[in-house]
Amino acid sequence: DAKTTQPPSMDCAEGRAANLPCNHSTISGNEYVYWYRQIHSQGPQYIIHGLKNNETNEMASLIITEDRKSSTLILPHATLRDTAVYYCIVRGNTGGFKTIFGAGTRLFVKA
Amino acid sequence: NAGVTQTPKFQVLKTGQSMTLQCAQDMNHNSMYWYRQDPGMGLRLIYYSASEGTTDKGEVPNGYNVSRLNKREFSLRLESAAPSQTSVYFCASTGTYEQYFGPGTRLTVT
Repeated sequence: DAKTTQPPSMDCAEGRAANLPCNHSTISGNEYVYWYRQIHSQGPQYIIHGLKNNETNEMASLIITEDRKSSTLILPHATLRDTAVYYCIVRGNTGGFKTIFGAGTRLFVKA
Repeated sequence: NAGVTQTPKFQVLKTGQSMTLQCAQDMNHNSMYWYRQDPGMGLRLIYYSASEGTTDKGEVPNGYNVSRLNKREFSLRLESAAPSQTSVYFCASTGTYEQYFGPGTRLTVT
């Protein structure tokens, strides 16, 4: 399973875009990039995933570089409620979905 | 549709006691997982089950056993609890893509 590297913490002003980077230089061709977030002590919540194309949903956008070695999660208009730990995960879709979480990025959205 | 449920929500054990954490999902998912999360840390995979009848070790399996009782239920057992097992335990299940997590069990071992 590929490993990911994320900055431990980031700040963002409320109403601005939050751009959270993730490096996954050892990603394999059949592995997807997933993003989750964890607010306080709740269970993590799925945000978005992608293979090689950029993806957008109602929560966020995911930009994956052409070589797939890194990605960026974009929260277009961050609110105070987006303060959370964000996890970038790389995982294949075969073989039992072994899913490893790293330490994540703690995002602080400030008023 | 309750999603992923876990029991109990809180538990205090003495060192050496045993207990089983229960997890159930009603989404007909094949894969289920147990994670632990220590204060200020990320989630660490203990065991997972790719499908009914199979289980595999994760990152930190020592001191734990699991049972995939049927497609819905995946239990985690601590045979002899230690203070180092004080943590929040999350169960999760996966369908095609995303994982769904339960609310967690907060376990303290004194």
